[in-house]
Amino acid sequence: GQNIDQPTEMTATEGAIVQINCTYQTSGFNGLFWYQQHAGEAPTFLSYNVLDGLEEKGRFSSFLSRSKGYSYLLLKELQMKDSASYLCAVRDSNYQLIWGAGTKLIIKP
Amino acid sequence: IAGITQAPTSQILAAGRRMTLRCTQDMRHNAMYWYRQDLGLGLRLIHYSNTAGTTGKGEVPDGYSVSRANTDDFPLTLASAVPSQTSVYFCASSELAQATDTQYFGPGTRLTVL
Repeated sequence: GQNIDQPTEMTATEGAIVQINCTYQTSGFNGLFWYQQHAGEAPTFLSYNVLDGLEEKGRFSSFLSRSKGYSYLLLKELQMKDSASYLCAVRDSNYQLIWGAGTKLIIKP
Repeated sequence: IAGITQAPTSQILAAGRRMTLRCTQDMRHNAMYWYRQDLGLGLRLIHYSNTAGTTGKGEVPDGYSVSRANTDDFPLTLASAVPSQTSVYFCASSELAQATDTQYFGPGTRLTVL
């Protein structure tokens, strides 16, 4: 079966750095997405990786290793507004997105 | 309007009733999707449409139907609602159904079936 694993919840301090991991086992691979979802709101796109390596976008970076079935989202200089759930999703061989359950990130002052 | 709208925002429904969740996008995106989101589970695809006039089944299609008569609208119908369909429903769209395509989500409909 297809599986996306992420930690259920993480806590970090304002101004710090946090890394959210995602491991996947899917039928085929056509890219990996990270989305942010604030409580009660819709998911919004953060990043896309299809090749191995690090993609940097401001305070957020995303890394992919296809051979290890692994990705992480790195958030720097954490702000209170970064408190949200972070969803990892993999596009499979049928071009459908398979979603992880999400990681709830709690930022403390 | 800009983006994707969904209606209603929330609904409480008696089991056995028929219900249609509405979704409209104004981005002229070809592909549209319906997901349900339940606590502790990832988003699960119910139905999708790669272009107007075509639809396909996702991971959890049973009890749901969709239609795509035009580019903008993609309604989701529950023919006879059951309590297990209590969930938050998100409609999404993307320009094309391709690998690099980003999906954009509507604000969601919170549905409770009693």
